[in-house]
Amino acid sequence: TQLLEQSPQFLSIQEGENLTVYCNSSSVFSSLQWYRQEPGEGPVLLVTVVTGGEVKKLKRLTFQFGDARKDSSLHITAAQPGDTGLYLCAANFGNEKLTFGTGTRLTIIP
Amino acid sequence: EAGVTQSPTHLIKTRGQQATLRCSPISGHTSVYWYQQALGLGLQFLLWYDEGEERNRGNFPPRFSGRQFPNYSSELNVNALELEDSALYLCASAAYYGYTFGSGTRLTVV
Repeated sequence: TQLLEQSPQFLSIQEGENLTVYCNSSSVFSSLQWYRQEPGEGPVLLVTVVTGGEVKKLKRLTFQFGDARKDSSLHITAAQPGDTGLYLCAANFGNEKLTFGTGTRLTIIP
Repeated sequence: EAGVTQSPTHLIKTRGQQATLRCSPISGHTSVYWYQQALGLGLQFLLWYDEGEERNRGNFPPRFSGRQFPNYSSELNVNALELEDSALYLCASAAYYGYTFGSGTRLTVV
């Protein structure tokens, strides 16, 4: 069974601060996606990374895919209240379904 | 294009009853994935349908079942409901870049 562990599970920071959340697995994955979910809604895709060592930027969000293809990180610069939500990583381990991580619940305090 | 639609939005059932949840994928998409999300945490894979066939199944008991219709819409059935089946049930339509989720059906078993 492939597992994806995210850390921290909960994070509460002040507006304007920077933060990083992590996604780790003991198995290699072929691709990884990050989603953000707000209360009462389904997760929304933020980015897909497929190449080891790949870095993608989406405005204030920077996503990195580890060289060994077993980990990923999401860094947010100058967090804003609109960044509040549940952040989920999801990996494809080659079995044609996404395995989701345990989630990081982020709260940005104005 | 229209997104993924799920119905009903909320469903309240009594323990032992059956629940039927419905999903329509993005037009032209043939795959539908079902996930269970309990307590606002990570998503657990339930079922994958493609071209009318069940392609993969998660680690759930047989009372969780479903089907996919010729128009690629899908139904998830949960028989003999138990209290721990209370959760948000999410349906996703898949493309090469990632999943698009519906807003989910909140099932409450009392």
